[in-house]
Amino acid sequence: NAGVTQTPKFRVLKTGQSMTLLCAQDMNHEYMYWYRQDPGMGLRLIHYSVGEGTTAKGEVPDGYNVSRLKKQNFLLGLESAAPSQTSVYFCASRNYPYNEQFFGPGTRLTVL
Amino acid sequence: AQSVAQPEDQVNVAEGNPLTVKCTYSVSGNPYLFWYVQYPNRGLQFLLKYITGDNLVKGSYGFEAEFNKSQTSFHLKKPSALVSDSALYFCAVTGGTYKYIFGTGTRLKVLA
Repeated sequence: NAGVTQTPKFRVLKTGQSMTLLCAQDMNHEYMYWYRQDPGMGLRLIHYSVGEGTTAKGEVPDGYNVSRLKKQNFLLGLESAAPSQTSVYFCASRNYPYNEQFFGPGTRLTVL
Repeated sequence: AQSVAQPEDQVNVAEGNPLTVKCTYSVSGNPYLFWYVQYPNRGLQFLLKYITGDNLVKGSYGFEAEFNKSQTSFHLKKPSALVSDSALYFCAVTGGTYKYIFGTGTRLKVLA
């Protein structure tokens, strides 16, 4: 039981490049989340999903897109990376109701 | 609107002394409260939660938290701090929606 995994762990992009971050969970959780963590700002929700085939916007969705084609996977895409998207990205999943979230190890992204 | 405040950016405590990390919240309806810990270059790990019932909640690694409805607080406590407790601590709240709101984090430093 691997829990929540994220790929890749590190990435450096140039401004304007695109990439996809992959999150996978093996706990059969319905709800999945993408957060970004920046110094002094805690975790901010980018997008979330309440089930396969569904996605919704969080606090800071601009510049990101997501897809949840399979229940176990939640993909975060950056179509045209900007330096403001330099951050650490965390994926999380949970079961309903009101349960704790399980977090992946994070992806450290630098956009030059 | 939901919100969480962690008023201290950093808390320093001597090893063996009791520690408190503060959290206050604002939420419509019944609050569901969580504490997470983050070690360097790692994802967040769940420590404990309050859903309903006893106001004193016990969690992992000897941590506990006290829910105070009148003061809208959920402070994290430990009777005797260890150097290994040094980490970043996050409080989170949900009012029963799909979204969680995280505080900005408090860095705990336990001095030997």
